Amino acid sequence: DAGVTQSPTHLIKTRGQQVTLRCSPKSGHDTVSWYQQALGQGPQFIFQYYEEEERQRGNFPDRFSGHQFPNYSSELNVNALLLGDSALYLCASSDRTGHSPLHFGNGTRLTVT
Amino acid sequence: QKEVEQNSGPLSVPEGAIASLNCTYSDRVSQSFFWYRQYSGKSPELIMSIYSNGDKEDGRFTAQLNKASQYVSLLIRDSQPSDSATYLCAVNKLGGSQGNLIFGKGTKLSVKP
Repeated sequence: DAGVTQSPTHLIKTRGQQVTLRCSPKSGHDTVSWYQQALGQGPQFIFQYYEEEERQRGNFPDRFSGHQFPNYSSELNVNALLLGDSALYLCASSDRTGHSPLHFGNGTRLTVT
Repeated sequence: QKEVEQNSGPLSVPEGAIASLNCTYSDRVSQSFFWYRQYSGKSPELIMSIYSNGDKEDGRFTAQLNKASQYVSLLIRDSQPSDSATYLCAVNKLGGSQGNLIFGKGTKLSVKP
């Protein structure tokens, strides 16, 4: 049973560039949430996608956007990268009941130079 | 005041001892409470969830919730070196979906052989 998979595992970008991160949810899950985890901090909720729509959003600027595809996989896009965007980006999936625990992927480590 | 607060540690306990991890939250309408374990460089892994006042036990782990005091704790009995990790407390607010969790910064636990 495949868990949550994320790609790439590591990424180095320059300030001002744009980046796309990808996530495939655990089999049977249809809801995808994205989190940003800065070094030494807990994960911070970015947004959640369900039925190909953004359902909830955390306190992140519009530079952060996403998409969910019909197969439930998801992308996180970040435009105009800042040094402060350097973090571990975690994708988590759950089912539509909202009662299943979140399953996290191994994350994408983004470094902005 | 941060929404979810934890002592960052490190908390050091000898092997076989009880490790006690604490968490307070600010929003009284918080509904669901979770403890995640995160090994260095890895993604968070759910170890306990608790929804009502009192204790919940699962193997060597016991979660305790006191909604009146807005306090949730995690006890780890017979601590093992493999328990050395950062423990994240997370809260799901009323109206928030399962995927929208508010995390504390985490407490780093070190179990000494």
